[in-house]
Amino acid sequence: GDSVTQMEGPVTLSEEAFLTINCTYTATGYPSLFWYVQYPGEGLQLLLKATKADDKGSNKGFEATYRKETTSFHLEKGSVQVSDSAVYFCALSDGGANNLFFGTGTRLTVIP
Amino acid sequence: NAGVTQTPKFQVLKTGQSMTLQCAQDMNHEYMSWYRQDPGMGLRLIHYSVGAGITDQGEVPNGYNVSRSTTEDFPLRLLSAAPSQTSVYFCASRPGQGQVQPQHFGDGTRLSIL
Repeated sequence: GDSVTQMEGPVTLSEEAFLTINCTYTATGYPSLFWYVQYPGEGLQLLLKATKADDKGSNKGFEATYRKETTSFHLEKGSVQVSDSAVYFCALSDGGANNLFFGTGTRLTVIP
Repeated sequence: NAGVTQTPKFQVLKTGQSMTLQCAQDMNHEYMSWYRQDPGMGLRLIHYSVGAGITDQGEVPNGYNVSRSTTEDFPLRLLSAAPSQTSVYFCASRPGQGQVQPQHFGDGTRLSIL
């Protein structure tokens, strides 16, 4: 079945450090891939997406590239800010109803 | 736009009680879904609906019922609450069945079963 394996946290970085959160997936079809972010006390918000192999999703300085050969969708940001502190979820959409399958989430804390 | 609205935000129940978590969206989205979020397990799909009058089970449907009588509303019912159902519940919606369309999430309902 479909599944997402995500780098476990928590991750603590200093401001302006480089961020990578690893995500790999297993899917029977040709999924779309997403990164969602959850700020404290809020619901999930879409951060970026990619719908086919070699697509790069980007938003707010975050990037992720859909790598079919390695079944990966790693999230990166060159210089994190305190305001990036949140929980990040990798997810895929697949199947007839295109339901979302989530990873376990990675908590990021950025310290000044 | 209000987007996806969930009520209540917090609820404490005793084992065996029943309750309904409300979810409403004002975006005319066809697809709606319920997830539960537990520490270390991410979000797991409980039930979903691809349109009014149509519902189906997700990954963890046991102990929950849903109905979809209108496009706007998708309530989640706990028939006899159990401590294992203590969780944060999220409702989400998207325009249709398209794979590329992201879901819009409510702010969640934090439910504790004593």
